[in-house]
Amino acid sequence: GNSVTQMEGPVTLSEEAFLTINCTYTATGYPSLFWYVQYPGEGLQLLLKATKADDKGSNKGFEATYRKETTSFHLEKGSVQVSDSAVYFCALVLATSGTYKYIFGTGTRLKVLA
Amino acid sequence: DTGVSQDPRHKITKRGQNVTFRCDPISEHNRLYWYRQTLGQGPEFLTYFQNEAQLEKSRLLSDRFSAERPKGSFSTLEIQRTEQGDSAMYLCASSPELGRGTDTQYFGPGTRLTVL
Repeated sequence: GNSVTQMEGPVTLSEEAFLTINCTYTATGYPSLFWYVQYPGEGLQLLLKATKADDKGSNKGFEATYRKETTSFHLEKGSVQVSDSAVYFCALVLATSGTYKYIFGTGTRLKVLA
Repeated sequence: DTGVSQDPRHKITKRGQNVTFRCDPISEHNRLYWYRQTLGQGPEFLTYFQNEAQLEKSRLLSDRFSAERPKGSFSTLEIQRTEQGDSAMYLCASSPELGRGTDTQYFGPGTRLTVL
């Protein structure tokens, strides 16, 4: 079946450190891929997305590249800030059977220390 | 555009009681989704509406769960005879109908249900 696997958290980094959160997927067909972020007490917010192979999504200093050959969509940021502390979810969507439901990973909690 | 809103934000109920949640999507978004999120997990799909038609239901949605979107605008999710296992965050999302399923879904803040 279709699924998303994320690295376990929490990930704890010092401010200005480099961030990588791994995400790999299994899908029948060609999914679109998303990263959502959930800050404490808030709903899910779209961070970035990519809709086809080799696309790079970027936003707020975060980047992820859709790698079809490795079925991956790893999230990276060159220099994290305390305000980036949140839970990050990788998700895919497949337009099968006329619905567009998301399949989410389990989330990775990021803690950034000052 | 005020985003997706959900009401209530928190609900505490006793086992066996019925509860109803409401979701107001972004205006003119044709698609509406319900998800459930338990602690330490990602959201899991429950059901999907296109306008007023409920087009898919997950097997997670037992007979005790029912969802409606009567006029193609707001939606309600009702849980009858609640069980402790129903305790979770219930998320609503909406998206426009633009194309082949790559549309971004916009999420509400969620309704946190606690069943005692």
